[in-house]
Amino acid sequence: AQSVTQLDSQVPVFEEAPVELRCNYSSSVSVYLFWYVQYPNQGLQLLLKYLSGSTLVKGINGFEAEFNKSQTSFHLRKPSVHISDTAEYFCAVTLSISSGSARQLTFGSGTQLTVLP
Amino acid sequence: DVKVTQSSRYLVKRTGEKVFLECVQDMDHENMFWYRQDPGLGLRLIYFSYDVKMKEKGDIPEGYSVSREKKERFSLILESASTNQTSMYLCASSRGTSGAKRNEQFFGPGTRLTVL
Repeated sequence: AQSVTQLDSQVPVFEEAPVELRCNYSSSVSVYLFWYVQYPNQGLQLLLKYLSGSTLVKGINGFEAEFNKSQTSFHLRKPSVHISDTAEYFCAVTLSISSGSARQLTFGSGTQLTVLP
Repeated sequence: DVKVTQSSRYLVKRTGEKVFLECVQDMDHENMFWYRQDPGLGLRLIYFSYDVKMKEKGDIPEGYSVSREKKERFSLILESASTNQTSMYLCASSRGTSGAKRNEQFFGPGTRLTVL
């Protein structure tokens, strides 16, 4: 079975500073990877996804992530954060093979990003 | 845009009550999911359904059941609510039975359930 580890539960950062939210996964087969964002009192919104091809993936709101197969990582980055980026961020993984269980996403425990003025 | 709606944003129930959480999606998606979200635990899958009247257990199905009588609607049922079921419940849907698109899930706003 696959699993996801988000190494930091809380990341405070000052406005306009760069940020990296870390995500590592474990799987014996190839995977698809996702980052979701949850703003206060809202559901999850897809930020970006890696399915295949280029390992550098660009998403909405200036975020990007890099798939590193050798390190089994999919870290999320933004070069300059805004107050409005304050939210909880979830990394998720699913198997790329075609089977019933592959439809499931396995989520990490989340990272609360707080952008300080 | 895909829209996933949940019947209530906030719900307060008493221990032992039967609770229904409703989820409706308007994009003809085949797959629907119920998660619960707790601080420090992320999202955990309760049940999912890949077709009408079909359901599969997720990671934490105990104490819950589901119903999918129509393609657009997926209900989560707590037969006898308990205080440890106080949580945020999120519904999601995804399309297709093959290809990468089936893995992209769209979420509703969530229902915060409190069981007293």
